[in-house]
Amino acid sequence: EAGVVQSPRYKIIEKKQPVAFWCNPISGHNTLYWYRQNLGQGPELLIRYENEEAVDDSQLPKDRFSAERLKGVDSTLKIQPAELGDSAVYLCASSLQDTGANVLTFGAGSRLTVL
Amino acid sequence: RKEVEQDPGPFNVPEGATVAFNCTYSNSASQSFFWYRQDCRKEPKLLMSVYSSGNEDGRFTAQLNRASQYISLLIRDSKLSDSATYLCHGGSQGNLIFGKGTKLSVKP
Repeated sequence: EAGVVQSPRYKIIEKKQPVAFWCNPISGHNTLYWYRQNLGQGPELLIRYENEEAVDDSQLPKDRFSAERLKGVDSTLKIQPAELGDSAVYLCASSLQDTGANVLTFGAGSRLTVL
Repeated sequence: RKEVEQDPGPFNVPEGATVAFNCTYSNSASQSFFWYRQDCRKEPKLLMSVYSSGNEDGRFTAQLNRASQYISLLIRDSKLSDSATYLCHGGSQGNLIFGKGTKLSVKP
């Protein structure tokens, strides 16, 4: 079974340029998460979807970040325009939401460098 | 929302040593707790869930102390391959937060 698939693995852009990341979760996982991880820090939640509904986007910088999960399967995260401080690893994770467990399976991440 | 705190380390220990990490949480309503392991430049991977009664998986033991609001991870007989960053993940349903991680380095 394929795990969580993310692309691209690496992206280098100049500031003010747009960038998009794509994530395909594990088949059957109804919950999808986008995290941002800076060096030496833990992952910070940007947005959480349950099926196609964004149920927690309180930490998403909405002036420049957007996300969508059409049809409740794969998802894209976009940054426009990118700033120097956006350099980080963007991790996608999915889980099968049940009564209590929130075990996450992560993708390999998309490492963004903004110059 | 810094509700989960970890000692960043690094913890430098010799092979065969026993090492323990704690993770404190501030929200007394927190119900779910997990330990993840993250190797350098890799994604986090689930190490173990933390149950109220505590749980053990080989050399690893996780415990929850609700009175003092922390969870712990004990690693016995450390191996070189245990070198990694250990992230705690905890909170209430729909509001789980990662700690910053504790770095472990096991030396020969």
